[in-house]
Amino acid sequence: KAGVTQTPRYLIKTRGQQVTLSCSPISGHRSVSWYQQTPGQGLQFLFEYFSETQRNKGNFPGRFSGRQFSNSRSEMNVSTLELGDSALYLCASSALPRDTGELFFGEGSRLTVL
Amino acid sequence: QQQVKQSPQSLIVQKGGISIINCAYENTAFDYFPWYQQFPGKGPALLIAIRPDVSEKKEGRFTISFNKSAKQFSLHIMDSQPGDSATYFCAATFQTGANNLFFGTGTRLTVIP
Repeated sequence: KAGVTQTPRYLIKTRGQQVTLSCSPISGHRSVSWYQQTPGQGLQFLFEYFSETQRNKGNFPGRFSGRQFSNSRSEMNVSTLELGDSALYLCASSALPRDTGELFFGEGSRLTVL
Repeated sequence: QQQVKQSPQSLIVQKGGISIINCAYENTAFDYFPWYQQFPGKGPALLIAIRPDVSEKKEGRFTISFNKSAKQFSLHIMDSQPGDSATYFCAATFQTGANNLFFGTGTRLTVIP
């Protein structure tokens, strides 16, 4: 069974640009969550989607948005990039919201903002 | 505000020794406490988890101890091996149906052969 797949794995953008990251969950998983990982702030919850609906959102500005498609694949978008947005963005999937509580994480998309 | 505090930030242990990582939380509404292990270049992977109705859970060499009154929980790695060298994150969440985990800041464990 394939794991969570995130694309692209690495990308470099400049301030003011926007970026879209993609996540394909484990087959059969319907819940997708996104996390930002930085050395200073650690792992922080961005948002969660289930059945194409955002169920919960973390404390991030409106420049961070996401969506989920009918096949459970998800994308997140960051507009008007800032230097502080440089981070590893992790996607995680689970079969149901809080199924067993286990989230399966992808390897992440490492974003560098210059 | 860090909802889950984790210590130490880094830990060096000899092979065969015991690694102990501690976490503390404030919000008594948390009801699920997982530990994740992350290797360089990889995403975190669930190691072991506990709910507050039990005081200890053991899986192989990994044990979680949970002290509800003190609002603390810890991970013990017995017979630590070089392959255990990774970053460990404790986390906590609510029984709300949402997958928003509040993570600790992580502990980088190095096991010396």
